[in-house]
Amino acid sequence: DTAVSQTPKYLVTQMGNDKSIKCEQNLGHDTMYWYKQDSKKFLKIMFSYNNKELIINETVPNRFSPKSPDKAHLNLHINSLELGDSAVYFCASSPDSHWAGELFFGEGSRLTVL
Amino acid sequence: AQSVTQLGSHVSVSEGALVLLRCNYSSSVPPYLFWYVQYPNQGLQLLLKYTTGATLVKGINGFEAEFKKSETSFHLTKPSAHMSDAAEYFCAVSLEEFSGGYNKLIFGAGTRLAVHP
Repeated sequence: DTAVSQTPKYLVTQMGNDKSIKCEQNLGHDTMYWYKQDSKKFLKIMFSYNNKELIINETVPNRFSPKSPDKAHLNLHINSLELGDSAVYFCASSPDSHWAGELFFGEGSRLTVL
Repeated sequence: AQSVTQLGSHVSVSEGALVLLRCNYSSSVPPYLFWYVQYPNQGLQLLLKYTTGATLVKGINGFEAEFKKSETSFHLTKPSAHMSDAAEYFCAVSLEEFSGGYNKLIFGAGTRLAVHP
């Protein structure tokens, strides 16, 4: 039973399209995150939600819109996809927003924009 | 500015040799420090972490790291490399945001470890 699961694992799409990635955690955690890993493996935080409330919003184009319908789910919708959006997107969770311990990561969703 | 620097984007060792992956951080306050490992096409797994207390921390798969405040370092070591250790390794610090007190994990650029026979 996967703790943090993301769908889809692979996504190939054309420039200009809109796509979504979904994430679910069954750990009972309050806080969830989206991280982007670029082609050089660099990981950068994008967003964080705590109990459905947006608490961290890094400098990310507004084409990226996260949504948290409940604390177990965090989705990422991307409008008007660009070549530079190609990356692996990781969802993660932690017990709460002040947690300074281990983050639990999903296996990633590899987005390729052609 | 708070950041994490990993020296060496690629490290190659022979099987059975010592593994040393370097990590330095800059922070105005003592951070919590982590090493994560990423195997090909997988998510990140925690290897070990330092929060408080003993500065030498042991993790999974025989890895350990030592927090040295005077050197602002948290280098990862393993006495004897195994082929299965080949992966990408990330050092990370956990820092509170100035506003709201929320914590976020800041990653270094990663070090790819190759182990050859």
